[in-house]
Amino acid sequence: EPEVTQTPSHQVTQMGQEVILRCVPISNHLYFYWYRQILGQKVEFLVSFYNNEISEKSEIFDDQFSVERPDGSNFTLKIRSTKLEDSAMYFCASKLGETQYFGPGTRLLVL
Amino acid sequence: EDKVVQSPLSLVVHEGDTVTLNCSYEVTNFRSLLWYKQEKKAPTFLFMLTSSGIEKKSGRLSSILDKKELSSILNITATQTGDSAIYLCAATFSGNTPLVFGKGTRLSVIA
Repeated sequence: EPEVTQTPSHQVTQMGQEVILRCVPISNHLYFYWYRQILGQKVEFLVSFYNNEISEKSEIFDDQFSVERPDGSNFTLKIRSTKLEDSAMYFCASKLGETQYFGPGTRLLVL
Repeated sequence: EDKVVQSPLSLVVHEGDTVTLNCSYEVTNFRSLLWYKQEKKAPTFLFMLTSSGIEKKSGRLSSILDKKELSSILNITATQTGDSAIYLCAATFSGNTPLVFGKGTRLSVIA
């Protein structure tokens, strides 16, 4: 069964460094999302992407964040200058129709 | 502000018990409600509910939406230790907008 994949599974970085989180959505899906989940808190929406552009973003998704679909398969989330409070699990999701399917997540730890 | 509230926040039951998890929502232009199961990492999709009063069933799990009460329940019968997880409820509204998640119910099934 097709699934969303994400790499890396874990990333440890120093505050102020740039990180790129990668996702490969399900191949025929058209809508892509990034969510994050800070430890012990609820899943929060970051950004949605359709037709090669951002369709919606939350207030969390500030100028430090960017997304890209550099080729036909990858969907990336870049955090330009990481802060301690960016430490979280980051989930990618893709959608065809109504249902969003989630990847396994990348656990980001900012030291 | 759109809101999804789940109860209880946590629940401990014995194997074989039946559990009912609750989700209520206040979402402008509500479209559908989704249930996910989150074990170690990614939320995995369980059900999507759009119409009121129609039960969806998958094995020992079932769910139903009540649009009049703005709520949904997830039932698990004959619980097993493998049902231990966080169960997430999320609502979506018109268009291809992101999911709004509740905090989840942590279910622990003990032998």
